[in-house]
Amino acid sequence: DAEITQSPRHKITETGRQVTLACHQTWNHNNMFWYRQDLGHGLRLIHYSYGVQDTNKGEVSDGYSVSRSNTEDLPLTLESAASSQTSVYFCASSGDAYEQFFGPGTRLTVL
Amino acid sequence: KNQVEQSPQSLIILEGKNCTLQCNYTVSPFSNLRWYKQDTGRGPVSLTIMTFSENTKSNGRYTATLDADTKQSSLHITASQLSDSASYICVVIGSMDSNYQLIWGAGTKLIIKP
Repeated sequence: DAEITQSPRHKITETGRQVTLACHQTWNHNNMFWYRQDLGHGLRLIHYSYGVQDTNKGEVSDGYSVSRSNTEDLPLTLESAASSQTSVYFCASSGDAYEQFFGPGTRLTVL
Repeated sequence: KNQVEQSPQSLIILEGKNCTLQCNYTVSPFSNLRWYKQDTGRGPVSLTIMTFSENTKSNGRYTATLDADTKQSSLHITASQLSDSASYICVVIGSMDSNYQLIWGAGTKLIIKP
């Protein structure tokens, strides 16, 4: 069955370190997204991609970067982790404009 | 500004009871609206999608309604079960030309007590 996976599921890091969160989907979807979810907030879009070599900034992109070298993967990199980036991160993919399929999430703690 | 507001923030009901969750939006132009269920520690999963022309849509014990004139949607859960305990998130899709934007609500946390 097609799926979307994220790794690691939990990560603890220190302020200033570079961190990369992996996202892999086997739906063969062109569209992939990264969100963060914090208490009291809806899902907030960090970056998204509509295909290989395409990346776009979302509403909270500062301090994050992505690259899309193939259809299946969209890794999210925190260039220099900050405590404000402690959050739960979700990756999603979609084949059309409407339904997104989400991964299980990565809980990131920045100390 | 495009916004989606959900109410209540949280809700506790007894197993077997019904409940209704609300979603108000100011997204324009409107394309469609989707309800997601998010179990604790997991990613959201789509429950139902409502297009502009649809007023009601059911998915088992879940019934979503949409009033495009007042820009309101509701999700009604009938005969609640313990497995309904989750967060329910409303997302409105706005589109213009070939671009689209998803506006996510903060969700309603529903707790079903035995």
